[in-house]
Amino acid sequence: AQSVTQPDIHITVSEGASLELRCNYSYGATPYLFWYVQSPGQGLQLLLKYFSGDTLVQGIKGFEAEFKRSQSSFNLRKPSVHWSDAAEYFCAVVLNTGGFKTIFGAGTRLFVKA
Amino acid sequence: DVKVTQSSRYLVKRTGEKVFLECVQDMDHENMFWYRQDPGLGLRLIYFSYDVKMKEKGDIPEGYSVSREKKERFSLILESASTNQTSMYLCASSPGLNTEAFFGQGTRLTVV
Repeated sequence: AQSVTQPDIHITVSEGASLELRCNYSYGATPYLFWYVQSPGQGLQLLLKYFSGDTLVQGIKGFEAEFKRSQSSFNLRKPSVHWSDAAEYFCAVVLNTGGFKTIFGAGTRLFVKA
Repeated sequence: DVKVTQSSRYLVKRTGEKVFLECVQDMDHENMFWYRQDPGLGLRLIYFSYDVKMKEKGDIPEGYSVSREKKERFSLILESASTNQTSMYLCASSPGLNTEAFFGQGTRLTVV
């Protein structure tokens, strides 16, 4: 069955440290890939997306993600975390199964310590 | 900027009540969605609509219905609210079914 896995329910990093949030998907072909961020009490906001081409994509707020076909992964990274990055992060894939279907991961909550 | 507006941030309703959640988008998007968000489960699709008066069931449609009489407005209806429908409800719109979605701020519904 198609699925999206975010293995880390929560992560704590120190302000200024680097960050990597993991996302793996289970699907036979390459899906469209997205990362969203949700600040407390808010809806989701798109950070970045991958459709094709360069496998390293840049997003807003200094985030980037790398698509690795061999690992079916689309991990999100940031070189230096700011306290305002504390939020929940969702990986999502759009599959073409005769019609388009979006599947969201369960989310990773990021805590930033001073 | 795309704006998706949900009519309420917080709602408290009684078991058995009929509940309406309203969503309006201002970007002329064809597609609109209702998701339910619960801790540890991510977002689960309840219903979506790809055109006025058109609707498709998502993964968890039971206990819900929707209405889309105008392109910009998509309503979620809980016919008879139950305590297991206590959740965060997110509305979204998108220009295409394989593009990014734009989300409202969410409605936290509590059914007592």
